[in-house]
Formats: sequence, C-alpha cells, structure tokens
Amino acid sequence: DAKTTQPPSMDCAEGRAANLPCNHSTISGNEYVYWYRQIHSQGPQYIIHGLKNNETNEMASLIITEDRKSSTLILPHATLRDTAVYYCIVRAVHQTGANNLFFGTGTRLTVIP
Amino acid sequence: NAGVTQTPKFRVLKTGQSMTLLCAQDMNHEYMYWYRQDPGMGLRLIHYSVGEGTTAKGEVPDGYNVSRLKKQNFLLGLESAAPSQTSVYFCASKASGWNNEQFFGPGTRLTVL
Repeated sequence: DAKTTQPPSMDCAEGRAANLPCNHSTISGNEYVYWYRQIHSQGPQYIIHGLKNNETNEMASLIITEDRKSSTLILPHATLRDTAVYYCIVRAVHQTGANNLFFGTGTRLTVIP
Repeated sequence: NAGVTQTPKFRVLKTGQSMTLLCAQDMNHEYMYWYRQDPGMGLRLIHYSVGEGTTAKGEVPDGYNVSRLKKQNFLLGLESAAPSQTSVYFCASKASGWNNEQFFGPGTRLTVL
C-alpha cells in the first residue's frame, strides 16, 4: 500500500474552509484515497473516498490531482465540531477480502472560534 | 440500530490477568476488526475476520487471541495481560463488496498495572 504524508497539525477559523493536504506520491493505479476522522476519544468516522475524480458528499469534498500523487480534503465551512484528527489512507480495494486500512498519525485540525 | 458496540468501556487489569473484550454489530456485516491505539498514534490492526468462524492476524497480533463464533460478535482475548497492552481498543465492522467504509465502535480503554 502506498505511504501517505500529512502535516501533523493545522488550524482553521470557524466558518472558513479547511483544506487538509495529503501526499501519496507512490500511489498505484488501483489504489483509492480514503479519509477518516477521529474526534477526541471516539472511534474513527468515515468521511469520503475517491479514485481519480473529485468527489463530494454531505460532509466534505475530495480533490485528487491529475497525477494522483496528492489530494486535498475540503471541509467547506468548518465548525468547532470538526476539530479532530484526520487520516488520509491509500488502499487498493477488492470486491472480496477485508481491504484492511492502515492508519498513520494523521493531521490534527483545530477549528478556532 | 445500535451500530457497533463494545463491552466494557473501561477496565483495569493487573499484570498476568486475563480478560475478553466483546464487540457486537447489528448491521449484518461480514467483516470485523480489532485495532489498538496508543497515545499520539494512529490505529494499528490486531486481528480481523472475513466471516463467521474465520479469523486472521493483522499488524500487531502477538499477545491477543480472537474468536468469531457468531456473525454479529467478535471477541478479543488477552490471556496474560502485560503493561504494554495498555491502550484504547477499537472494534470495527464492514459490509462485503467494494465499499470500504468501516464503522467503528466507541472504544474500550484498558489499563494494565
């Protein structure tokens, strides 16, 4: 599985967009980019995933560069409840199999009032 | 629909004692996972199961055993607890197929003295 690199911490003003970068320069063609977040003391929560096209859901947007070597998770209007550790995970997906996830240390996002 | 539940929420053990952590899911998911998370670290996979009656080793399996006798339950056992096993333990489950979203439980905080 491709290794990911994320900044250890970021701050964002409440109401502004939070842009969390992730570098995955060794990503393979069949590997997806997944984002999870972990609010303090809780279990991780799935946010979004994508292969090569940009993706958007009710929580966030995922922008993947054309060469797929990096991506950005965008929280369009950050709130205090978005303060969490955000994990970028790259993983091949198979229809059968456990498709285990490997968590790094992530980015600690602090939303400031 | 309770999702993924874990029992107990907290536990303190003495070195050498044994215990079992219970994970239950009511989503009829095929796959289940046990992770541990040490302070300031990401989650590391201990064991996982791709279906009832099957288990497999993850990244850090030593000192743990698991069983999946029923599809909805995944048990994690510590036969002889050690201080190095002090951690927060998370269980997760996932449906079969292409979707790789894992649903996590609230965690069990274990301290081994």
